[in-house]
Amino acid sequence: GAGVSQSPRYKVAKRGQDVALRCDPISGHVSLFWYQQALGQGPEFLTYFQNEAQLDKSGLPSDRFFAERPEGSVSTLKIQRTQQEDSAVYLCAIAGGNTGELFFGEGSRLTVL
Amino acid sequence: AQKVTQAQTEISVVEKEDVTLDCVYETRDTTYYLFWYKQPPSGELVFLIRRNSFDEQNEISGRYSWNFQKSTSSFNFTITASQVVDSAVYFCALSENINNNDMRFGAGTRLTVKP
Repeated sequence: GAGVSQSPRYKVAKRGQDVALRCDPISGHVSLFWYQQALGQGPEFLTYFQNEAQLDKSGLPSDRFFAERPEGSVSTLKIQRTQQEDSAVYLCAIAGGNTGELFFGEGSRLTVL
Repeated sequence: AQKVTQAQTEISVVEKEDVTLDCVYETRDTTYYLFWYKQPPSGELVFLIRRNSFDEQNEISGRYSWNFQKSTSSFNFTITASQVVDSAVYFCALSENINNNDMRFGAGTRLTVKP
């Protein structure tokens, strides 16, 4: 989507592998969000950054999930020892615009075999 | 915590029909923000509208219109004269925070418009 680039678009992992998903927002956006969207479901909040500070990580489903944004721009979502239930689309979003909406990237589809 | 319910899982209409997508929300806050997003087959979520809790005026944008009723905690979305390109999954969402760092989505309604 305009302003947010995510990679890889598709990732297939064997159960137990570690994966890293990248979100590269257009510069200057303070707020950055990660959401998880399981098949047939709405996006579920994972975590939120304001610049480099992770202000809310209450949505991370387990301690296998870790997110960082060390320089307040690019963010990485890491999933350790992946499980089949981790299969989902992981969406990154930035807040912007006068109406406060979230702009989403196209997502990274993770399939764990 | 806030909650959004979209009771209609799937809707199928024929082109040029009008269709309404329902959204019911729950919140204890008096200030909150409601959203609609469209997710076409490409997967990207596209912002459609944001409405704050103090503004109950209905809004029309082309073929799209939204009916916000606080009395019934509903924020329904109507597409007039539907087109095949309207086929997508539509999500209603609620945030209690102006920074939207607590945005919660409904499960979505899959709309199929047949030619």
